[in-house]
Amino acid sequence: QKEVEQNSGPLSVPEGAIASLNCTYSDRGSQSFFWYRQYSGKSPELIMFIYSNGDKEDGRFTAQLNKASQYVSLLIRDSQPSDSATYLCAVNGNFNKFYFGSGTKLNVKP
Amino acid sequence: EAGVAQSPRYKIIEKRQSVAFWCNPISGHATLYWYQQILGQGPKLLIQFQNNGVVDDSQLPKDRFSAERLKGVDSTLKIQPAKLEDSAVYLCASSSGLAREQYFGPGTRLTVT
Repeated sequence: QKEVEQNSGPLSVPEGAIASLNCTYSDRGSQSFFWYRQYSGKSPELIMFIYSNGDKEDGRFTAQLNKASQYVSLLIRDSQPSDSATYLCAVNGNFNKFYFGSGTKLNVKP
Repeated sequence: EAGVAQSPRYKIIEKRQSVAFWCNPISGHATLYWYQQILGQGPKLLIQFQNNGVVDDSQLPKDRFSAERLKGVDSTLKIQPAKLEDSAVYLCASSSGLAREQYFGPGTRLTVT
């Protein structure tokens, strides 16, 4: 079992719709959760981080964390073509080990 | 505030040769990470430093890879000898502390022929 699992996609949504990206993790001791966006040929760029159960909103982005279900998600409202990228979920587990998922490719169609 | 700096940006070497990558983290960031990202995969942590001490190097292939951060600031990652499967992007990231958000440099794309 991988430490962090993501659906590879591609996830296709029309412009203006809500994109929902999901991630599950295996280490119950995980404390910190991160979402990164990676454009093709570029390095990952931090979008959101969340430490506590519940929702955290920042502009068009909302991160949701459910530690009991070992599940973290990212919602992108009013999706734009410029949001088309690969979204990486990262988890900081026990002993400060960092794990990244393989990413979900998002396509926003004009 | 300057971001994470890495050099070189691109490197092409033949198998069995050696190569070194350099990283300078964001000023004041105590934690530094080296990742390997193979095309189509997520970044894989190779080594994590807190100041000049190693926190985690469990996934570093120590028979060929080495890394150091002697003065707790910049860091070098070396591969010797390189294999074809080492072709990847090597990413350096830094954070203000353990378990905190990381900021990535532009990466070094390594091609081993």
